[in-house]
Amino acid sequence: GAVVSQHPSRVICKSGTSVKIECRSLDFQATTMFWYRQFPKQSLMLMATSNEGSKATYEQGVEKDKFLINHASLTLSTLTVTSAHPEDSSFYICSAIGYGTEAFFGQGTRLTVV
Amino acid sequence: AQSVTQLDSHVSVSEGTPVLLRCNYSSSYSPSLFWYVQHPNKGLQLLLKYTSAATLVKGINGFEAEFKKSETSFHLTKPSAHMSDAAEYFCVVSDRSSNDYKLSFGAGTTVTVRA
Repeated sequence: GAVVSQHPSRVICKSGTSVKIECRSLDFQATTMFWYRQFPKQSLMLMATSNEGSKATYEQGVEKDKFLINHASLTLSTLTVTSAHPEDSSFYICSAIGYGTEAFFGQGTRLTVV
Repeated sequence: AQSVTQLDSHVSVSEGTPVLLRCNYSSSYSPSLFWYVQHPNKGLQLLLKYTSAATLVKGINGFEAEFKKSETSFHLTKPSAHMSDAAEYFCVVSDRSSNDYKLSFGAGTTVTVRA
C-alpha cells in the first residue's frame, strides 16, 4: 500500500512555543490530506481537511489561528501548533487520499507541552 | 450524513479463539466501509475495506468482514486470535457520494488477548 510519513513521531516543547508537524505522501500524490487529534483511549477527531494549493477547511470548534495548516504541494502538508499550551498535548495523526477512496495514515505524532 | 456505531468498547478473548467486533453504520448514500487497527502510539493500519464489490471482504492477518446492507452492519471477524491482535480497532465509513472523502470513525474497540 501507499506510504504516508509523519514527522516527528514524538516532540516535547515548552509552553508558548510553536511546533510544526509534517505529513508526506511518499509514493503518491495526495489530493486531500486530513489532520486528526486523538485523546487517550478515544477515537480520532477530525480537525481539518486540506487540499493542495487552497486554504484548509476547519471543523467546528477548531481554532484556525492556533492550528495552522499548509498544503503547499501534492506530497506535503504541515500542521503548526502555535503558542502551544499543556492542553494541546495530544496524539496528532494525518491521513492522505490520492485518486482512490482509501485513506493512508501517518504514524502519528505525540505532542507533549510542558 | 454518515455515522458509525461500534457496539463493544472492549472485547477480551483467549488466544486461538474467534474474535467478533461489531459495527453498524448509517449513510445516506452508498458507503465505503473500512476497518483499521491501531497499536499503542502508532498510526492506523488498514485491515480491509468494502467499496461495493464482494460483500464478504478478506483482509490482512486473517481478518474478514461481511457487508450486510439489510442490517447496516459490517462486523469484523477472525477465526483464531493471536497475541499480536491485541490493539484498538476502528470501524470507519466514507460517503462515496461526497467529494470531500470525509471519514467517520467509530469510538473504537479495544481487543485484549489472553494467553
